[in-house]
Amino acid sequence: EAGVAQSPRYKIIEKRQSVAFWCNPISGHATLYWYQQILGQGPKLLIQFQNNGVVDDSQLPKDRFSAERLKGVDSTLKIQPAKLEDSAVYLCASSFPRAPGELFFGEGSRLTVL
Amino acid sequence: ELKVEQNPLFLSMQEGKNYTIYCNYSTTSDRLYWYRQDPGKSLESLFVLLSNGAVKQEGRLMASLDTKARLSTLHITAAVHDLSATYFCAVSFGNEKLTFGTGTRLTIIP
Repeated sequence: EAGVAQSPRYKIIEKRQSVAFWCNPISGHATLYWYQQILGQGPKLLIQFQNNGVVDDSQLPKDRFSAERLKGVDSTLKIQPAKLEDSAVYLCASSFPRAPGELFFGEGSRLTVL
Repeated sequence: ELKVEQNPLFLSMQEGKNYTIYCNYSTTSDRLYWYRQDPGKSLESLFVLLSNGAVKQEGRLMASLDTKARLSTLHITAAVHDLSATYFCAVSFGNEKLTFGTGTRLTIIP
């Protein structure tokens, strides 16, 4: 079974530039999550989708972050404009409807903002 | 707001020794999870604990849950180098949202 796919794995940008990350969840997983993991910290939920609807985006900095999940499959997370404090690993995860909360994580996209 | 705290944050231990990592959380929760993360890698699910008194074991790792005390423990028996990693507990309630702890970085010294 293919895992959660993310790209790019690494991205370096300057502050005020924009960046987009892509995620393809495990087939059949209706719930998709984007987490932000700053170095030395635990992952923090940014947004949770159920199919193509948003369940929770309370911790998403909406002035600069946006996310979408078209057709309830792939998802894109965008940051515009980036700030230095956005340097982190962005983890995408998905879960199966019959096992809510049991997340399968992708390898992450590491963002460095200079 | 649900808060999840782990201790210790850093743990260095010799091979063959036993130790316990603690996870405390602030409000009633449905489920508790333990994850492992190797450097530069993603998170791997270790255990899911669903009820008070639940205990699960896999190899040298054993996890338990006390919902009344809002406490979970991850016990390591006779540690080996391969167990060196960062361990996270995570707690969920209601809408499947997971709140993660701060992590415990475990280093096993030969």
